[in-house]
Amino acid sequence: DGGITQSPKYLFRKEGQNVTLSCEQNLNHDAMYWYRQDPGQGLRLIYYSQIVNDFQKGDIAEGYSVSREKKESFPLTVTSAQKNPTAFYLCASSRDGWSEQYFGPGTRLTVT
Amino acid sequence: GESVGLHLPTLSVQEGDNSIINCAYSNSASDYFIWYKQESGKGPQFIIDIRSNMDKRQGQRVTVLLNKTVKHLSLQIAATQPGDSAVYFCAEIPSSYKLIFGSGTRLLVRP
Repeated sequence: DGGITQSPKYLFRKEGQNVTLSCEQNLNHDAMYWYRQDPGQGLRLIYYSQIVNDFQKGDIAEGYSVSREKKESFPLTVTSAQKNPTAFYLCASSRDGWSEQYFGPGTRLTVT
Repeated sequence: GESVGLHLPTLSVQEGDNSIINCAYSNSASDYFIWYKQESGKGPQFIIDIRSNMDKRQGQRVTVLLNKTVKHLSLQIAATQPGDSAVYFCAEIPSSYKLIFGSGTRLLVRP
């Protein structure tokens, strides 16, 4: 059963703490992405990775960091420098940069 | 920056009727467009796509129309069902690894 998994589904953290969101895919896709979605809004790109050991900043990378040590994994760390971290975070993958992106179920992060 | 937008934020239709969701795009360099469906609390789900060398593509109960002259996309859903209730996003790919989403249209299906 191929797909993208994100864990956990809900995450709660205190302000000032770093938190890492997990994203795994078994679709053998080279490209992976992280998006942020705020209530009633579209998706905004945080980071993307074209291939293992490579990643690029998206439109709203400040306060976030990523790594791509394995093809199937692309974890996102929300650092204490992110001013408004509470949001719904979505991971996606695609075969290449011109193909449709498939999304995971999302992680809802709440920081208080 | 250039973006994809939608004309109607909310669309309410009677169960069994056809639905039409519209989208305008501004980047003439885009040649690949996708419609996604997002249910509450879930990730977007791919519905149908179309490339710029086509003006119409049909799937199961869904049809996407592309009018490059006026930079307009539409998603038609035939015989709308309660399970179609969701937010629908159009998206374009103007360059590699760049997927631009519109703000979304909420479809409400009345029983």
